[in-house]
Amino acid sequence: QLQLQESGPGLVKPSETLSLTCTVSGGSISSSDHYWDWIRQPPGKGLEWIGSMYYSGTTYYNPSLTSRVTMSVDTSKNQFSLKLSSVTAADTAVYYCARTYGSGSYLDSWGQGTLVTVSS
Amino acid sequence: DIQMTQSPSSLSAPVGDRITITCRASQNIGTYLNWYQQKPGKAPKLLIYAASSLQSGVPSRFSGSGSGTDFTLTISSLQPDDFATYYCQQSFNHPFAFGPGTTVDFK
Repeated sequence: QLQLQESGPGLVKPSETLSLTCTVSGGSISSSDHYWDWIRQPPGKGLEWIGSMYYSGTTYYNPSLTSRVTMSVDTSKNQFSLKLSSVTAADTAVYYCARTYGSGSYLDSWGQGTLVTVSS
Repeated sequence: DIQMTQSPSSLSAPVGDRITITCRASQNIGTYLNWYQQKPGKAPKLLIYAASSLQSGVPSRFSGSGSGTDFTLTISSLQPDDFATYYCQQSFNHPFAFGPGTTVDFK
């Protein structure tokens, strides 16, 4: 069974770069049928789609974040990563990694989420 | 970008009731509409994809319908496990926006 696990610092200082990694187990990140996504949820608020990437490196970002977001993949480790630069308190959220089934683009498997707090 | 709205934002209902949540897209998205359930402190869970297809393992009391811009999620007989927040999401084109959510709680 596919499992996704987010990892990274739980506290990031304002203006610095948030870095998270999602480790995929029980399936290959090089699957031709899937994309790999990041979604976030500020405390008490709704879901915001951050971006999506294919194992080949193709990426799609939310235009509201595109100037600050970089996603990358490491197929040798079955991992993909998120970097969000110049963070502010507004970037405090639970960050989820998830798998998208390619043709329908629905998020069919999610990590448990990790809370990242931006504070000095 | 495509904007998603949901109504109501919250509803209260007793166990056994039939409830319907509505989702509207700002432009035609065909049937590229998905529904998720989220419980407090947990990751969202896929319920319905492609507007009306039930994800494997999801109880048959959940159903989805609609196409174009207007969609509905129906729970035919509300169960205690169904009290949660429900989100729609369009997957017609990027960015894949979510609706603001509908919270279902116990009446």
